This record gives sequence, C-alpha cells and structure tokens, in this order.
Amino acid sequence: DAKTTQPTSMDCAEGRAANLPCNHSTISGNEYVYWYRQIHSQGPQYIIHGLKNNETNEMASLIITEDRKSSTLILPHATLRDTAVYYCIVRAHSNSGYALNFGKGTSLLVTP
Amino acid sequence: AAGVIQSPRHLIKEKRETATLKCYPIPRHDTVYWYQQGPGQDPQFLISFYEKMQSDKGSIPDRFSAQQFSDYHSELNMSSLELGDSALYFCASSLATGTGGPDEQYFGPGTRLTVT
Repeated sequence: DAKTTQPTSMDCAEGRAANLPCNHSTISGNEYVYWYRQIHSQGPQYIIHGLKNNETNEMASLIITEDRKSSTLILPHATLRDTAVYYCIVRAHSNSGYALNFGKGTSLLVTP
Repeated sequence: AAGVIQSPRHLIKEKRETATLKCYPIPRHDTVYWYQQGPGQDPQFLISFYEKMQSDKGSIPDRFSAQQFSDYHSELNMSSLELGDSALYFCASSLATGTGGPDEQYFGPGTRLTVT
C-alpha cells in the first residue's frame, strides 16, 4: 500500500468546515483513497472512499487532486461529535477483502 | 441496522492464561478482520478470513490463532498471555463478494483485554 502523510493535529470551530489533507504521492493506479475515523476508544468508522473522482456522501466530501497524489476530506459543518482521529488509507481492492493499514492519522478537535 | 457484535466487551486475565474473543459479523458479510490497538497506539491488523478461509495475515503473534466458522462468526484465541497483550481488540466485517470491488469495513465496539 502507498504511504500516506497527514498532519498530526488540527482544530476547527463548531459549525465551520473542517478540511483534512492527506498526501499519498506514491499511490498506484489501482489504489483507492479511504477515510476512516475513530472517536475515542470506539471502533473505527468508515467515512468515504474514492478512486479519482470527487465523492460526496451524507458524512463528508472527498476531493482528490487530478494527479491523485493528495486528497482532502471535508466535513462541511463540523460538530463537537466530529472530534476524532481521522485516518487516510490508500489501498487496492482484492477479491477476498483487504486489510487496513492505519497510519498515524490526524487528531481533529472541534471547539465550541 | 445490525452491527458487528463482539464479546465479551471487557476481559481480565492473568499472565500465562488463555483468552477467547468472539466476533459476529454483520449478516451476509463474508469477510472478518481482527485488529489490535495498544494504549495510545493506532489499530494494527492481525488476521482476516474470507469465506471461512484465512485470507491475509498481519502482525499476529504465534501465540494467537483465529478461525471463522460456518455461520461466519470468528474467534480469536490467545494463549500464554503477556502483559503486552493488554489492548483493545477490534473485529470488523465487510462484504468482499469476490469481485474486487469496494468493501468498506464495519467495526465492532471492541473487546478490552487487560492482562495482569
């Protein structure tokens, strides 16, 4: 799997957009970008994934640069409950599932 | 919606004892993963099963073993427990389908194992 680099920590005011960057300059053509988050001591939670097009779901938006070497997860209106560690993971798909390689992640603190 | 169930939620064992953790995946999911998260650390992949066969192996100690049963539930067996085995153990499930398509993983609440 390609290596990812994320900021160690970020702050965001409640109600504002949280933009979490991720660098994955060695990503391969068949690798997807996945985002998960972990709220303190809970099981990690899937957020969104994409290959090369921008994606949006009810939780977030994922913006992937044209060269696919970086991406940004956007939480449009952050709430206090979005305080968590956010993991950007690059992985290929396989017929029998594929393990997640959690890196260091970004610790996002949403403040009132 | 049904989620991944793990039992027990908390477990206290002494050194050199054995422990068995159980995982019940989301119905119809065919793949189960086990992860270990030590204090202050990020989750680390241990082992996975697809359609009851081991599909991938990570940093799982030889003292640990796991299997997936015919009803797709999985058990992680841990023997000769050490203090360093104290951690959160997460199980996740996904629907891999054998097609190589997207397969987001859904995690259980974890089992907190404390070895004294």
